[in-house]
Amino acid sequence: NAGVTQTPKFRVLKTGQSMTLLCAQDMNHEYMYWYRQDPGMGLRLIHYSVGEGTTAKGEVPDGYNVSRLKKQNFLLGLESAAPSQTSVYFCASSYSPGLNTEAFFGQGTRLTVV
Amino acid sequence: GEDVEQSLFLSVREGDSSVINCTYTDSSSTYLYWYKQEPGAGLQLLTYIFSNMDMKQDQRLTVLLNKKDKHLSLRIADTQTGDSAIYFCASNTNAGKSTFGDGTTLTVKP
Repeated sequence: NAGVTQTPKFRVLKTGQSMTLLCAQDMNHEYMYWYRQDPGMGLRLIHYSVGEGTTAKGEVPDGYNVSRLKKQNFLLGLESAAPSQTSVYFCASSYSPGLNTEAFFGQGTRLTVV
Repeated sequence: GEDVEQSLFLSVREGDSSVINCTYTDSSSTYLYWYKQEPGAGLQLLTYIFSNMDMKQDQRLTVLLNKKDKHLSLRIADTQTGDSAIYFCASNTNAGKSTFGDGTTLTVKP
């Protein structure tokens, strides 16, 4: 089982460049999430999706856009990268939001914006 | 919104017990989780406890929940060097969103 796969694993961008991070899960999960992890700040939710075709803002959505055209994929876009977006990005998925839920995480994407 | 707090660092000797503490603010939290993150890796779910439970034991791991004080702890018995990692507490209140603490870095000294 692949679980949750993120691509790419590493990327360096120049300020103002754009890029898309891809998250793919093969567990038929309805819920998918994008987090960023910064030193001393834990994980903060950027955007999430409760099903195919739906997206919603999380705690820190500014500067990011997302799309969930297919149930298995959740894309995170940066239209104009800024140094403040240097971070490690984690994607996660879960079957349901409530009973016995657990989130499966990808390995992370380390993004540096110079 | 929900706030989850943890102490940032814990250092123990190999073979000792480790206790990592967490407090949360939302009394409607339904599930509380402990995740482990090893260097360069994603988060791995260690264990979770439902809000109507006081304790859950799983091999070397013991989770204690004090719902009145909104306090959660993770005890690792016979701590090994392989347990060195960052441990995240998280609460799940609604819509599948989890609120994470900042993580506790556990260092196990031989």
